[in-house]
Amino acid sequence: EVQLVESGGGLVQPGRSLRLSCAASGFTFDDYAMHWVRQAPGKGLEWVSGISWNSGVIDYADSVKGRFTVSRDNAKNSLYLQMNSLRAEDTALYYCARLGFDSSGFYYYFDFWGQGTLVTVSS
Amino acid sequence: DIQMTQSPSSLSASVGDRVTINCRASQSISSYLNWYQQKPGKAPKVLIYAASSLQSGVPSRFSGSGSGTDFTLTISSLQPEDFATYYCQQTYRTSRTFGPGTKVEN
Repeated sequence: EVQLVESGGGLVQPGRSLRLSCAASGFTFDDYAMHWVRQAPGKGLEWVSGISWNSGVIDYADSVKGRFTVSRDNAKNSLYLQMNSLRAEDTALYYCARLGFDSSGFYYYFDFWGQGTLVTVSS
Repeated sequence: DIQMTQSPSSLSASVGDRVTINCRASQSISSYLNWYQQKPGKAPKVLIYAASSLQSGVPSRFSGSGSGTDFTLTISSLQPEDFATYYCQQTYRTSRTFGPGTKVEN
């Protein structure tokens, strides 16, 4: 059974840092790209960052570029998000998601999600 | 970045109704369009990928259509468990942006 379990969220002051983790199990982790998606309270989904299976392709939303760093450790089946210079607008539930693909290998979608870890940025 | 819009932002419907949700991309994304359903307190669930392919296990009352910039999610006969928020998402670029969502209410 595929499982994604996020951790590391909490209450943090503006300007401080936080590191999120996502522990994966039930599948071959290094076969898949992984992503972070967040959802502010009562708001919609916002794609945050993604990393390819070998860390060769990394991308960020403009809203976090230069402040957040995504990484992965395939030996530990883990995904990470280092969040620096946090702002109030970063307050959200952060999900990690697996980027699955169809049988052709051309089409991608988030096929498994964790339950999220809540980050609250407030003084 | 590719911007995604959805219409309407919310709609009121009854069980048995046919429901249509629209999604538009700011540039052509071919068929790289997914639809997700999210219920309160739950992670999103993929319904449709590649614009019109039904994810395994998803009821056939859900269907998707479109290509290029304009896409549609249709629920042929709304069921009680379908009241939720629906999001489109493009996967044409590595920045996998979502639409703002459409809330389907009773």
